[in-house]
Amino acid sequence: QSALTQPASVSGSPGESITISCTGTSSDVGNYNLVSWYQQHPGKAPKLMIYEITKRPSGVSNRFSASKSGNTASLTISGLQTEDEAEYYCGSYAGRRWVFGTGTQVTV
Amino acid sequence: QLQLQESGPGLVKPSGTLSLICSVSGGSISSGNYFWGWIRQPPGKGLEWIGSHYYSGSNYYNPSLKNRVTIDIDTSKNQFSLSLSSVTAADTAVYYCAHTTAAAFDQWGQGTLVTVSS
Repeated sequence: QSALTQPASVSGSPGESITISCTGTSSDVGNYNLVSWYQQHPGKAPKLMIYEITKRPSGVSNRFSASKSGNTASLTISGLQTEDEAEYYCGSYAGRRWVFGTGTQVTV
Repeated sequence: QLQLQESGPGLVKPSGTLSLICSVSGGSISSGNYFWGWIRQPPGKGLEWIGSHYYSGSNYYNPSLKNRVTIDIDTSKNQFSLSLSSVTAADTAVYYCAHTTAAAFDQWGQGTLVTVSS
């Protein structure tokens, strides 16, 4: 199975907004409303930031929002803060399997 | 609050079998409409889903690892395990166990590094 495609890196200044794309296929992202996003700081376990395309778990800042169109999902971080600097991964259910994205390094 | 903790050998010899256990606290492993899964991350690389066990008993495995992977559940100990056979250096990674809700991995263990080397 192929990983979902993400840009290797995205950068922005504090207070700005950035968007990370996640491109899959009609077998995963395009076929299920079950896209999730994870934040990972160095040496730490990933943290769930978004599930079911747009939903935020309790405790996740509303500066994080997401959407999906066709085979591509997107994560937007608004009002960038220094603590947002991390690796971000998308993930998708793909019918009795899961697939992750290639990862995007966000630099603030 | 659900907590997960991986444990097992940090070093495995090539061609051997990697065995890890995930201990769950703060909730029962046998309750609810959930998956319990394993994900790994080679040093400096991205996340790779290994497999997941559904509470009803079904197992789903990554096709690229399917012939080498087994996930088992021990409800009496509130644990689930990962077994990966015929390992090579390419299996060196941080291994995470995770709980899945709504097809998202919402709770993760801290991860454990397993190195395959003689």
